[in-house]
Amino acid sequence: QKEVEQNSGPLSVPEGAIASLNCTYSDRGSQSFFWYRQYSGKSPELIMSIYSNGDKEDGRFTAQLNKASQYVSLLIRDSQPSDSATYLCAVAVLAGGFKTIFGAGTRLFVKA
Amino acid sequence: DVKVTQSSRYLVKRTGEKVFLECVQDMDHENMFWYRQDPGLGLRLIYFSYDVKMKEKGDIPEGYSVSREKKERFSLILESASTNQTSMYLCASRGQGTDTQYFGPGTRLTVL
Repeated sequence: QKEVEQNSGPLSVPEGAIASLNCTYSDRGSQSFFWYRQYSGKSPELIMSIYSNGDKEDGRFTAQLNKASQYVSLLIRDSQPSDSATYLCAVAVLAGGFKTIFGAGTRLFVKA
Repeated sequence: DVKVTQSSRYLVKRTGEKVFLECVQDMDHENMFWYRQDPGLGLRLIYFSYDVKMKEKGDIPEGYSVSREKKERFSLILESASTNQTSMYLCASRGQGTDTQYFGPGTRLTVL
């Protein structure tokens, strides 16, 4: 079992819709949770971090964390074509040091 | 503005060659990381360093070594390049006590 699992997609949504991206993780000792966005040919950039159960909102983005279910999600409201990218879920664990484990990513296409 | 730079965007090497990938950050970060990114596998940690001259193995260190002689520079070395090391290599840095990793632009290495 992979430590951080994501549906590879592609996930296709129309412009203006809500895009929902999901991630599960296996280590119950995970401390911090992140969503990175990676445009084609570019490097990942952090867009959201979340540390406690519940929702965290930042503009059109909402991260949701449920530690009991070991589940993290990212909602993108009013999706725009510029949101088309691969979204990487990442989880930080303490394993002889602070270590971040990345999922393989979900490709999102927002159709104009 | 934070900056992580990598010595080459594209590199083509032959099997058996020794390959050096350089990464420099200007943020005075203690922690630096080398990942490789392959389709369907996501980002996998090769090595990381939390201080000058310190290094720790990541998940896939075989065939690689690293060097960190100065705080701002972290080098990845492929002792004898093989075709299965063809990949995108990403360097990242992170400040002590923070969660955000900043990535360099990546080096796409092809081993023929």
